[in-house]
Amino acid sequence: SQKIEQNSEALNIQEGKTATLTCNYTNYSPAYLQWYRQDPGRGPVFLLLIRENEKEKRKERLKVTFDTTLKQSLFHITASQPADSATYLCALDRAGGFKTIFGAGTRLFVKA
Amino acid sequence: ETGVTQTPRHLVMGMTNKKSLKCEQHLGHNAMYWYKQSAKKPLELMFVYNFKEQTENNSVPSRFSPECPNSSHLFLHLHTLQPEDSALYLCASSQEAPQRLASYNEQFFGPGTRLTVL
Repeated sequence: SQKIEQNSEALNIQEGKTATLTCNYTNYSPAYLQWYRQDPGRGPVFLLLIRENEKEKRKERLKVTFDTTLKQSLFHITASQPADSATYLCALDRAGGFKTIFGAGTRLFVKA
Repeated sequence: ETGVTQTPRHLVMGMTNKKSLKCEQHLGHNAMYWYKQSAKKPLELMFVYNFKEQTENNSVPSRFSPECPNSSHLFLHLHTLQPEDSALYLCASSQEAPQRLASYNEQFFGPGTRLTVL
């Protein structure tokens, strides 16, 4: 069955460092991959989308890579700040499909 | 502010009650979604409406009944729920549910309704 894996353990890093979160998937051929941020008690907020034919996408301090051979996406936050502390969700979609499949998310804590 | 509102934000109900969750989007989108989020689990898609037509029912028990009277409003009617149905229920919208190759599906989520079934 289709499966998305994100680190279930929280990631703790020091302010100013680069946070790297991993999303691995199996039994799936996504046309694109999305990253969302979710704060406690709030709905997810869209951050970045990367298509299967794109290797890398950047937006301000955020960078996403997508390796369809490894079936993996990496999400980087450079110069991290305490305000970046949240849960980050990875989501996959097929081309022309209605159903977005989400990972369980990785909790990030950035310490000042 | 994401442009998607949900009411109520918190709901406690008994197993024999009937209640409804409401979602409204102010973004001019044509697709709306219901998701269930349980603790430490991935979001589970429940229903998808595209241009007011239900296009996805992800094997959801009949005690959950969706209604989409127009593209801006979505309801989830609840009756005879079980304690395991306690979760955060999230509504989302997108421009449309993607049907064509190369279309994509950035979703805008509401804040959710925290539901507790006693």
